[in-house]
Amino acid sequence: GDSVTQMEGPVTLSEEAFLTINCTYTATGYPSLFWYVQYPGEGLQLLLKATKADDKGSNKGFEATYRKETTSFHLEKGSVQVSDSAVYFCALSDMKTSYDKVIFGPGTSLSVIP
Amino acid sequence: GAGVSQSPSNKVTEKGKDVELRCDPISGHTALYWYRQSLGQGLEFLIYFQGNSAPDKSGLPSDRFSAERTGGSVSTLTIQRTQQEDSAVYLCASSSPRVYNEQFFGPGTRLTVL
Repeated sequence: GDSVTQMEGPVTLSEEAFLTINCTYTATGYPSLFWYVQYPGEGLQLLLKATKADDKGSNKGFEATYRKETTSFHLEKGSVQVSDSAVYFCALSDMKTSYDKVIFGPGTSLSVIP
Repeated sequence: GAGVSQSPSNKVTEKGKDVELRCDPISGHTALYWYRQSLGQGLEFLIYFQGNSAPDKSGLPSDRFSAERTGGSVSTLTIQRTQQEDSAVYLCASSSPRVYNEQFFGPGTRLTVL
């Protein structure tokens, strides 16, 4: 079945460092891909998404490009801030079921230190 | 309300007791989802509602778990005869068919079974 794999955390970076969180997926067909973020004590919220190959999703300085050839959707940010400390979930949605079922990866915890 | 709300925010119970967790989705959202997030784990899908019906209950881990939704709005997740392995954060999300694939999450209910 469909699945999402993320790099294991926790990841600790200094402020203004470059961030990459790797995400790869397994799916048949053409899923949509997402990054969700969960700040401490809060629910998940959508960070960005891409619905077809070569699309780039971006939001709040974060970017991810849908790479069908490598089945990847890596999250990047050029300069992280302390406020980016959170857990990041890569996810996919397939249309094979009767609704847009979303499958989440295990999450990657990011801590940014001043 | 402006977002998805869940109650209680925290619940501590004794093994063998029944618990009810409540979710109030965003007004007008027809789809509602329940997930379980165990410590250090990703999101585990439990059940999906479209209106008041549940076309996908495949994630419910045992017959001790049940859920209902009334009036196409509020949903209740019930866990009977709780076990220690039920301890987790239970997340609810809702979505509108007009916002493609985006799920809006509540803050979750942290359940601790002693």
